[in-house]
Formats: sequence, C-alpha cells, structure tokens
Amino acid sequence: GQQVMQIPQYQHVQEGEDFTTYCNSSTTLSNIQWYKQRPGGHPVFLIQLVKSGEVKKQKRLTFQFGEAKKNSSLHITATQTTDVGTYFCAGLRNQFYFGTGTSLTVIP
Amino acid sequence: GAGVSQSPSNKVTEKGKDVELRCDPISGHTALYWYRQRLGQGLEFLIYFQGNSAPDKSGLPSDRFSAERTGESVSTLTIQRTQQEDSAVYLCASSLGVGGPEQYFGPGTRLTVT
Repeated sequence: GQQVMQIPQYQHVQEGEDFTTYCNSSTTLSNIQWYKQRPGGHPVFLIQLVKSGEVKKQKRLTFQFGEAKKNSSLHITATQTTDVGTYFCAGLRNQFYFGTGTSLTVIP
Repeated sequence: GAGVSQSPSNKVTEKGKDVELRCDPISGHTALYWYRQRLGQGLEFLIYFQGNSAPDKSGLPSDRFSAERTGESVSTLTIQRTQQEDSAVYLCASSLGVGGPEQYFGPGTRLTVT
C-alpha cells in the first residue's frame, strides 16, 4: 500500500503567493528526494535530503527533512508561472516510495 | 549517450496482445527503476534492478508483468495479454546506485490498450 502520502493534491495560487507541499511517511526514511514534473514531461530531480532536521535552499525553494525523518516539505516563496508543474517527494527505505504529488497551478 | 532513453515513445496495442518496452539507462548506472504513471496520477513503483538482479518484484501489478535486465544495461518490461487498465505512461529511471544520489528519468513510453 501507499507508504508516502503527499498533500495537498492540487494547489492553485496567484503569482507571487507562497506555496507549500508536505510529504509524510509511515516509517523512517533513509533519505528523501524531491522531483518536479512539468506538464507533458518526465520527473526531474530537484534535491536530496539525508540528515535529520536538514534544511536546504535553492533560490526561492526551501526543502526540509523532519527530525524523525518521516516527513518533509517543499516551500516556494513568491511563486512564478515557471513553477507550474507537479512536485513529487520520493522517500527511500529499501526502495523508493514516491508520494502522490502536488499539482501546482500559478495564476498570472 | 546523454540521458536515459526509452522505446517506443508511443505504443497502441489491442487488448490481449503482448508488448515489450525498452529502457536504455545512462552508462555506468547500476540501478534501474520502472514506474507506471496513469493520466493525472502519481508514480507507481513497479520494479528496480541492482545490476541485473531484481531484489523486489512485489510492485509488479500482476503476473502478466515481467522485467529483465542484461549486461547491467538495457532493461525490458514485458506485459502479456494487455488489458485496458494497463494504459499508462511507463517511465524508466536510472541512478548510480540504489538510493541515489538522484534518479534520471527517461521520456517514457505511452501505452494505449484499445
């Protein structure tokens, strides 16, 4: 069954607003990765988090890995239309478990 | 070779026929993954290879699905007696090793079963 849950499933924001997607696992993960999939495209790697409580930033994107290594979040500050796409987390235990994804729509 | 390639890019088949999907990973990547993505849905893990071995086949939806990898390179995913619910994009990814650091995805094969 599904071991990694991701919320929300869909999010519509006005351009310039912030956006956050959350990823929760029922079990402790070795690491977590985040991917972005543009409409019609394939997933593209964004980042990997390994350490408990780790925070990484990429320009307007901030990624966090929870202290218990069971949850993670991706926060985008001041969204732009180029941020449109579906964001997936992927947690590693004995294999990669992908979250259900959050589809982000940015309204200009 | 640049990235992961998959063939065919599109496949339309009649219900009941067998299909074979091919994945060419990035050279030197020991780990190879197969996923299924239905329209508007997330990624469903099917199987992964470490070298030529598949340690965990529990993700395969039914015994109609099988996969193999040879030479720690090319992998094929075979679906026998296709059903309409098999219609989806089948994505292949490879990485240096199991666990990352990152998976590189191919463009996928869009399978339509009529």
